[in-house]
Amino acid sequence: DAGITQSPRHKVTETGTPVTLRCHQTENHRYMYWYRQDPGHGLRLIHYSYGVKDTDKGEVSDGYSVSRSKTEDFLLTLESATSSQTSVYFCAISESGQGGYFGPGTRLTVT
Amino acid sequence: GDSVTQMEGPVTLSEEAFLTINCTYTATGYPSLFWYVQYPGEGLQLLLKATKADDKGSNKGFEATYRKETTSFHLEKGSVQVSDSAVYFCALSARRGGADGLTFGKGTHLIIQP
Repeated sequence: DAGITQSPRHKVTETGTPVTLRCHQTENHRYMYWYRQDPGHGLRLIHYSYGVKDTDKGEVSDGYSVSRSKTEDFLLTLESATSSQTSVYFCAISESGQGGYFGPGTRLTVT
Repeated sequence: GDSVTQMEGPVTLSEEAFLTINCTYTATGYPSLFWYVQYPGEGLQLLLKATKADDKGSNKGFEATYRKETTSFHLEKGSVQVSDSAVYFCALSARRGGADGLTFGKGTHLIIQP
């Protein structure tokens, strides 16, 4: 299995609070991604990174920001969490930019 | 934009039955195509992939052929087992400024009964 960890694995937070999710890889892959998984929608790309400090928006980026200060870490921040951001969040990594290997996921509940 | 369409299910089969999960796509250019599998409570695992037309991806008895003329990538298995019960996602990867985010279908829930 690819070396990807996500933390925390579960989180419950209140509306309006900031939340940061962390993705850590030990594979030294260039590309990293954040997706969210919701019933009836499959997985949708939030943001991605193609190198340290190089990031770009995906399909559903509103309300999210990301940072990548080291190759191994990719952070996803919800500046002010809303109930619509209750979801399961997956990080993925890719060496070639094709496809990717996924982490175990973080289940976020915003009350 | 890019899109992937697949049957959502649930699809219920008996053990040892033949499996087909249909997947069609819309994309500009020549995307790479993937099938991922998600077991309950887990992340997604890459099952197989194909990067150009007429390529066949295969793994663990599953197969899928990249059909450019019908824009399809149907997943097949000759004899399913109870352990194949999972959600299967078809996805495509089209070049996007140097990084390839995946576009997913909504997933097909497969249930195999003994």
